[in-house]
Amino acid sequence: DVKVTQSSRYLVKRTGEKVFLECVQDMDHENMFWYRQDPGLGLRLIYFSYDVKMKEKGDIPEGYSVSREKKERFSLILESASTNQTSMYLCASSPLRSETQYFGPGTRLLVL
Amino acid sequence: SQQGEEDPQALSIQEGENATMNCSYKTSINNLQWYRQNSGRGLVHLILIRSNEREKHSGRLRVTLDTSKKSSSLLITASRAADTASYFCATALSSGSRLTFGEGTQLTVNP
Repeated sequence: DVKVTQSSRYLVKRTGEKVFLECVQDMDHENMFWYRQDPGLGLRLIYFSYDVKMKEKGDIPEGYSVSREKKERFSLILESASTNQTSMYLCASSPLRSETQYFGPGTRLLVL
Repeated sequence: SQQGEEDPQALSIQEGENATMNCSYKTSINNLQWYRQNSGRGLVHLILIRSNEREKHSGRLRVTLDTSKKSSSLLITASRAADTASYFCATALSSGSRLTFGEGTQLTVNP
């Protein structure tokens, strides 16, 4: 079974802090994705990556950056957390040219 | 704007009844997928239907796709309390491309 893990289930940070959300997949997938999920807005794509050291902006990249130094790990970085970044963050991965995505359990981030 | 829009936003039924959820989208697609999300968890892939397919089955799930109307439906037959979850449709514009998700339908199956 594909396993996608996220470093934290719940996280509380203060405004202005730098926040790292880590995602690791164990199936050698090329593609990795970061979404945020908010009530009434569904899932919105923040960033994605098709390969190591490659990244592409999604629909809402502002205020976020990503890092993919190893194939299995995709990190989402909030350079200076703000209250409007309070959300559920979901990581996903998929094999190259496959449409099916495999999701991690999510990280619920609260920025105070 | 979101490519997919689910209807209804919320659905409450009794165990044993069928549940139907609909998804509409705006542009031509390569495939459409349905995902399920239990409360506070990640999404789980249920079924994928390609643009050249009209209907697909998987266990108690039946998905239809009408590309002329740009719409899809997900039917869950003989629902169970364990089917209680949010259901999302997601569209891909081309093979292997990123997905665009709708806002989801919250299904509640009452025992």
